[in-house]
Amino acid sequence: NAGVTQTPKFQVLKTGQSMTLQCAQDMNHNSMYWYRQDPGMGLRLIYYSASEGTTDKGEVPNGYNVSRLNKREFSLRLESAAPSQTSVYFCASSEVDNSPLHFGNGTRLTVT
Amino acid sequence: QKEVEQDPGPLSVPEGAIVSLNCTYSNSAFQYFMWYRQYSRKGPELLMYTYSSGNKEDGRFTAQVDKSSKYISLFIRDSQPSDSATYLCAPISYIPTFGRGTSLIVHP
Repeated sequence: NAGVTQTPKFQVLKTGQSMTLQCAQDMNHNSMYWYRQDPGMGLRLIYYSASEGTTDKGEVPNGYNVSRLNKREFSLRLESAAPSQTSVYFCASSEVDNSPLHFGNGTRLTVT
Repeated sequence: QKEVEQDPGPLSVPEGAIVSLNCTYSNSAFQYFMWYRQYSRKGPELLMYTYSSGNKEDGRFTAQVDKSSKYISLFIRDSQPSDSATYLCAPISYIPTFGRGTSLIVHP
């Protein structure tokens, strides 16, 4: 059981480039989440998907898009990366909403 | 004001000490809570969660919820250097909001 798997682990982008962060879970969870973590700011929710086929904005959605590809996979896309998006991105899943979250090990993104 | 507040620390204690980590929350609708441990350059790891008020114990760890004062605590008994990490709390909710975490250092 891998739990929540994120790819890539590290990425460096130039301003204006685009990329997609991938997340997959093998726990048959219904809900999935994307957070970013910055020093002194803690974890901030970008987008979430309560169930397959639905997505909603979190606290800091600007500059991001998401796709819930199927029950297992939830991707996060940066269409035009900015230095302010330099951060560590964590994907998480939960059995249903209102249940404990399980996190991946993160993607460390640097935008120059 | 964030929905969940934690003192960022760092909290430095000697090995074997009892550690108390605390969170306050503002929304009285929150009923249940999660505690996470995060090692450097790793994802948060679910440590404990509680669906009730009062205490929940798991090995050296005890989670406590005081709804009257909107205060939650995590106690670590016989702390070890391997407990050195950042500890995060969050309510179990439709949109989980995390505290900023408290950095704990247990020195030998």
